[in-house]
Amino acid sequence: EVQLLESGGDLVQPGGSLRLSCVASGFTFSSYAMSWVRQAPGKGLEWVSAIGSSGESTDHADPVKGRFTISRDNSKNTLYLRMNSLKADDTAVYYCARVHPGRGWYIYYGLDVWGQGTTVTVSS
Amino acid sequence: QSALTQPASVSGSPGQSITISCTGTSSDVGGYDYVSWYQQHPGKAPKLMIFDVSNRPSGVSNRFSGSKSGNTASLTISGLQTEDEADYYCSSYTSTPTLKLFGGGTKLTVL
Repeated sequence: EVQLLESGGDLVQPGGSLRLSCVASGFTFSSYAMSWVRQAPGKGLEWVSAIGSSGESTDHADPVKGRFTISRDNSKNTLYLRMNSLKADDTAVYYCARVHPGRGWYIYYGLDVWGQGTTVTVSS
Repeated sequence: QSALTQPASVSGSPGQSITISCTGTSSDVGGYDYVSWYQQHPGKAPKLMIFDVSNRPSGVSNRFSGSKSGNTASLTISGLQTEDEADYYCSSYTSTPTLKLFGGGTKLTVL
């Protein structure tokens, strides 16, 4: 069964740091680009970051650029999101998702497998 | 950049058809065929329903279809069923530095 399992969400103070993990199973992780998407309480979806299949290429949304870093370890089938300088606006459920395969840039394509999400709360 | 524009809510009766619109600009929806649609039930993760404007992933019912005209993409659900009641989000690549946009979401109620 194709599956993504996130972990690492927690309550953290403003200015703090957190690292989210997402373990993949049931597919060849190293063949797929991956992404993080977040959803603030009662709000819509917001794209956060994406990374190519080898990890050499990464992209981040403007609100998190310079604070968040996406990375992956293909030997461990694991995707990461390092979050620094956290703000109250970063409070959300964070989903890891697999990018649907395509011939072009991974940013173009839809997200065809999603994890169940992990909750990050930034509050003093 | 602002999110793509979707109606806040739509409704329909079982068996009917509904259409959800997603309006963007020539920098996103209108300029590229990279529109996706997601279904999200309360407390659950989103599910990909349509990719590249009009393609259905394996396992998604053919009652779901996508299209695009100009700067507006549309998701049509035919033969409405009670389990279709959910939130629906569109998404598109954008050539602006934002890179990827989501719509604000549409709540579908099946009466």
